[in-house]
Amino acid sequence: DVKVTQSSRYLVKRTGEKVFLECVQDMDHENMFWYRQDPGLGLRLIYFSYDVKMKEKGDIPEGYSVSREKKERFSLILESASTNQTSMYLCASSSRNNYGYTFGSGTRLTVV
Amino acid sequence: QKEVEQNSGPLSVPEGAIASLNCTYSDRGSQSFFWYRQYSGKSPELIMSIYSNGDKEDGRFTAQLNKASQYVSLLIRDSQPSDSATYLCAVNPGKTSYDKVIFGPGTSLSVIP
Repeated sequence: DVKVTQSSRYLVKRTGEKVFLECVQDMDHENMFWYRQDPGLGLRLIYFSYDVKMKEKGDIPEGYSVSREKKERFSLILESASTNQTSMYLCASSSRNNYGYTFGSGTRLTVV
Repeated sequence: QKEVEQNSGPLSVPEGAIASLNCTYSDRGSQSFFWYRQYSGKSPELIMSIYSNGDKEDGRFTAQLNKASQYVSLLIRDSQPSDSATYLCAVNPGKTSYDKVIFGPGTSLSVIP
């Protein structure tokens, strides 16, 4: 069964901490995405990558960075966590030829 | 501003009925259209994709696309309580697989036994 795996299902961090969210896919997909989902705001794109070492800003990149050193892994970094970054974070991947996304199970991050 | 709109619901249908979910989009040049199902507390799951005008059927699901009217719909036949979820319409406005997909706000569907 093809998968997008996010390293943590629930995470609690303190304000100011540096936070790493990891995402690994086993489908050899070229494209990977990080979204956050908040009630009433829907899915918002943070960053995406269409190839190894390539990254593009989404709609809300402020306060975040990403890393894609290997094709299968896409990491989201919160440089200095703040309470307004409390959210559900969703990683997704897609292939160059099939535009539908496969989502990971999500990481519910709480910043206190 | 490119937009995707859906009725937020909740849409309630009795078990066995047809559920009809609708979506409109603003970018006339959009090429690819998707429906995702999201159960409460879970991540979205792709259930249908459609790229050309007309109907596409997969089991109890039918996606309908009308590019002239900028309208895409999802029909669920013989609705089951397990279909109760939020359905997200998504539109890829570009020509590449990594163009920024625009997600609608979702329609909450409740199937009443």
